[in-house]
Amino acid sequence: EDKVVQSPLSLVVHEGDTVTLNCSYEVTNFRSLLWYKQEKKAPTFLFMLTSSGIEKKSGRLSSILDKKELSSILNITATQTGDSAIYLCAVTNAGGTSYGKLTFGQGTILTVHP
Amino acid sequence: DVKVTQSSRYLVKRTGEKVFLECVQDMDHENMFWYRQDPGLGLRLIYFSYDVKMKEKGDIPEGYSVSREKKERFSLILESASTNQTSMYLCASMRAPGGYGYTFGSGTRLTVV
Repeated sequence: EDKVVQSPLSLVVHEGDTVTLNCSYEVTNFRSLLWYKQEKKAPTFLFMLTSSGIEKKSGRLSSILDKKELSSILNITATQTGDSAIYLCAVTNAGGTSYGKLTFGQGTILTVHP
Repeated sequence: DVKVTQSSRYLVKRTGEKVFLECVQDMDHENMFWYRQDPGLGLRLIYFSYDVKMKEKGDIPEGYSVSREKKERFSLILESASTNQTSMYLCASMRAPGGYGYTFGSGTRLTVV
């Protein structure tokens, strides 16, 4: 059974801090790892990672995958109150179908105080 | 702008009622999914569908059924609602083959009293 574990489960920081969110996984036939940000509504896509060691970057957010350690980190620098959200990590396997099931972790609740 | 639309944002139902949650996508995606989201448990897959009239059980299908009569619409049915089905329900769709990420709906927060 595929499994994704995120840590920490919650985090409280002040504006300007840098945070690192962790995601570890166990999945047969790994295909990709995805990060989503969820505020009050639908999760929105941040990154998709398929290759180890290649950093993906978008503004103050960056993420990298380590296939040897079966993990990924999401970094947010110079945090702002608008970064407060649930951050979801998910993996998909390259099974014999194209159904695209995602297995999600529990999520990390990030709260950024002014 | 492409969309996944869930018919209700908030819903309150009584124990024992039959509940229908509707999801419609306008992207001509083949794959559609229903998840429930609970604090500390993340998103858990209830059912998914990879084609019209096709369905597969996810990780927690008990107490639920689904219907996909048209490609754009995927309905989740709670046959007899119970209080432990109080949750946030998220619908998602994905293009196949070759799609990677989901497009999510805004969610339906269901309370069963």
